[in-house]
Amino acid sequence: NAGVTQTPKFQVLKTGQSMTLQCAQDMNHEYMSWYRQDPGMGLRLIHYSVGAGITDQGEVPNGYNVSRSTTEDFPLRLLSAAPSQTSVYFCASSYIAESGSPEAFFGQGTRLTVV
Amino acid sequence: GQQLNQSPQSMFIQEGEDVSMNCTSSSIFNTWLWYKQDPGEGPVLLIALYKAGELTSNGRLTAQFGITRKDSFLNISASIPSDVGIYFCAGRSGESGGSNYKLTFGKGTLLTVNP
Repeated sequence: NAGVTQTPKFQVLKTGQSMTLQCAQDMNHEYMSWYRQDPGMGLRLIHYSVGAGITDQGEVPNGYNVSRSTTEDFPLRLLSAAPSQTSVYFCASSYIAESGSPEAFFGQGTRLTVV
Repeated sequence: GQQLNQSPQSMFIQEGEDVSMNCTSSSIFNTWLWYKQDPGEGPVLLIALYKAGELTSNGRLTAQFGITRKDSFLNISASIPSDVGIYFCAGRSGESGGSNYKLTFGKGTLLTVNP
């Protein structure tokens, strides 16, 4: 059971480049989310999804897009990378309450540097 | 949006001491979760709380869901060096499937244990 898998683990981008951070889970969780973690700021929610075809914005959505075409995958797209997007990105998934325990499980993170 | 105030921001303790940290919110939560993050890793769930007043233990860790549903605390007894890390509280307020079904995180408590 792989849990939540994020790729890549490390990435360096030039300002203006675009890229997609991948997140996949094999637990059949309905809820998936993306966070960024910056020193002293804790984990801030970027986007989340409560099921395939449904996404919504979190606290810091600007500069990021998401889609949820399948239950398993929830990619995060950086449209035009900026140095302010240098951060560690975490994907998390969980059941919705009626389906099971709602605790969130995290991937190991993607460390992104934008130069 | 919802905010969680987690305190203290950091703690330096001696091995064997007990530790207490807490989170408070301006709004009511239905679920409180406590996570630990080791360097270079994603957060790992320690304890989940689902009912106001609930007191739950996991080994040397004990957490409580405040009766007002606006706070929670985590205690660690007889600390050991491997307790070092960042501890996060997180709360979830919304009904499943609703737009408020997102997890809000505190900014974390950095724990250092001196052997």
